[in-house]
Amino acid sequence: RKEVEQDPGPFNVPEGATVAFNCTYSNSASQSFFWYRQDCRKEPKLLMSVYSSGNEDGRFTAQLNRASQYISLLIRDSKLSDSATYLCVVRGGAQKLVFGQGTRLTINP
Amino acid sequence: GAGVSQSPRYKVAKRGQDVALRCDPISGHVSLFWYQQALGQGPEFLTYFQNEAQLDKSGLPSDRFFAERPEGSVSTLKIQRTQQEDSAVYLCASSPRTQPLNYGYTFGSGTRLTVV
Repeated sequence: RKEVEQDPGPFNVPEGATVAFNCTYSNSASQSFFWYRQDCRKEPKLLMSVYSSGNEDGRFTAQLNRASQYISLLIRDSKLSDSATYLCVVRGGAQKLVFGQGTRLTINP
Repeated sequence: GAGVSQSPRYKVAKRGQDVALRCDPISGHVSLFWYQQALGQGPEFLTYFQNEAQLDKSGLPSDRFFAERPEGSVSTLKIQRTQQEDSAVYLCASSPRTQPLNYGYTFGSGTRLTVV
């Protein structure tokens, strides 16, 4: 079983819709949590960190449930430019980041 | 430099050939990471340096993979006797000496290796 699991999708949603992704992680000692965005043939870029209290950045809201070991990302009022692969990432006590497989999202006009 | 720089951007190697991939981290960054990303997958950890010390190489898939950072700055990932399964994008990331736990690393653009 992978340490970080995501539904690979693809998710195809119309522009303006709300879309949500979840991921689960297996290492209960994980301390930091992130969502990265990766465009086709580009490097992953940090979208946002995820805090236990939940956090919001514009149209993006991230939630962490430590008890259930899952992380979510909600995108409201989706734009065409939101089309990308979204990577769920955790970090334990060690320095390395552990990535999920990624969820591919396509926003349709 | 302004960001993490990797070279070459693309590399085509014949099976059995040795390759060397270079990473120039952000100036002053102490930590450096190498990741391998196969098509359709998330990046997989290969190895981690703090300055010139290789503190974790648990992700290197075989003894054909070797990484070094002799002066604590530029790093080279070497793959000997390349195989087709080595075809992937190799990503490098760096981070400063101290960072909060919620610090997400910055990646370079990667080297896309194709073994034919």
